[in-house]
Amino acid sequence: DAKTTQPTSMDCAEGRAANLPCNHSTISGNEYVYWYRQIHSQGPQYIIHGLKNNETNEMASLIITEDRKSSTLILPHATLRDTAVYYCIVRVARSLDYGGATNKLIFGTGTLLAVQP
Amino acid sequence: DGGITQSPKYLFRKEGQNVTLSCEQNLNHDAMYWYRQDPGQGLRLIYYSQIVNDFQKGDIAEGYSVSREKKESFPLTVTSAQKNPTAFYLCASSIKGPNYEQYFGPGTRLTVT
Repeated sequence: DAKTTQPTSMDCAEGRAANLPCNHSTISGNEYVYWYRQIHSQGPQYIIHGLKNNETNEMASLIITEDRKSSTLILPHATLRDTAVYYCIVRVARSLDYGGATNKLIFGTGTLLAVQP
Repeated sequence: DGGITQSPKYLFRKEGQNVTLSCEQNLNHDAMYWYRQDPGQGLRLIYYSQIVNDFQKGDIAEGYSVSREKKESFPLTVTSAQKNPTAFYLCASSIKGPNYEQYFGPGTRLTVT
């Protein structure tokens, strides 16, 4: 799985959009970009994932650059409850191996997003 | 309510004792996973199971054992052979297949002294 690079921490004002960048310059053509977040002392929560098109759901939007070497997670109106560590993960999605290796999530250290009142 | 439960939330043990962490899910997921998280670090995969009565080692399986006798349950035993057992342990489950998100439990914080 490709390695990702994220800033260690970011601040965002409550009510404003939070834009979290992720660099994945070695991503392969069949690797998806996933985002999870982890609120302190809780299990990670899935947010969104995409391959090459921009994606949006009720939680966030995911913008992937045309060359797929980087992406941005956007929380449109950040609240205090969005304060968490956000993980950007790239992983292969294929059916060749049901042994579980392709389901493995490789978490880096993520970005600590602090939403300020 | 569908979800994953882990119990207990906090667990304390003396060094040299084996301890079993519980993980139960009612999401009807075939695949289940155990991760370990150390302070300031990401998650590392210990064991995973794609189907009942089958499981595979992850990246850091030494000193751990698992069983998968029922689809809903995937208990993890931290044995005395695990050199640094104090950590936050997270269980997850997913639909079997390469492109499904994993759902995580609330975690168990194990402290061994």
